[in-house]
Amino acid sequence: DQQVKQNSPSLSVQEGRISILNCDYTNSMFDYFLWYKKYPAEGPTFLISISSIKDKNEDGRFTVFLNKSAKHLSLHIVPSQPGDSAVYFCAASASGAGSYQLTFGKGTKLSVIP
Amino acid sequence: GAGVSQTPSNKVTEKGKYVELRCDPISGHTALYWYRQSLGQGPEFLIYFQGTGAADDSGLPNDRFFAVRPEGSVSTLKIQRTERGDSAVYLCASSLTLDRVDTQYFGPGTRLTVL
Repeated sequence: DQQVKQNSPSLSVQEGRISILNCDYTNSMFDYFLWYKKYPAEGPTFLISISSIKDKNEDGRFTVFLNKSAKHLSLHIVPSQPGDSAVYFCAASASGAGSYQLTFGKGTKLSVIP
Repeated sequence: GAGVSQTPSNKVTEKGKYVELRCDPISGHTALYWYRQSLGQGPEFLIYFQGTGAADDSGLPNDRFFAVRPEGSVSTLKIQRTERGDSAVYLCASSLTLDRVDTQYFGPGTRLTVL
């Protein structure tokens, strides 16, 4: 049973437009959410995170939105650049419950077309 | 400064053999994590250490898998009697402290292939 779901395996976006990546979770104990970016043959790189006490966190071109009632979060990238092309993983932890492991989704492959 | 390093980068072995995978965390990081990523999946948690002790090993799939961190720095993941289903990329991460989940820095991984 997948506790973190990324239902879109891939997404293509024109350069300069907005990329929206979605993530759903089922475990109510999750209280911290992260997005990682992964290039081939490299480990995941932390991108942005959000605590469950917030509904939005912004860092430059990247914004993460959290809707706790819907158990849904999304990553917005504006404007999208070709260098953003990578696999994006949504991850969650229940750190408030003393669990520091990350539970990942299957990832969404983003292709930004020049 | 150096990031998390993992050796070897690739390991090919035969079914039934024993393998060891090594992780060198970022200097000063007290927490260390192991994940496994199978093809088409996201990373899956195996175990994490705080210092020398395994704080949570609930993700280890069975007793063929074992990990140690004897001096609180380098960690070794050990797999006995390997099976073809063990083929995956094994990722190691470290963070300054256990509660800083947003600072889990990942290494490049070891790709294990069991023939």
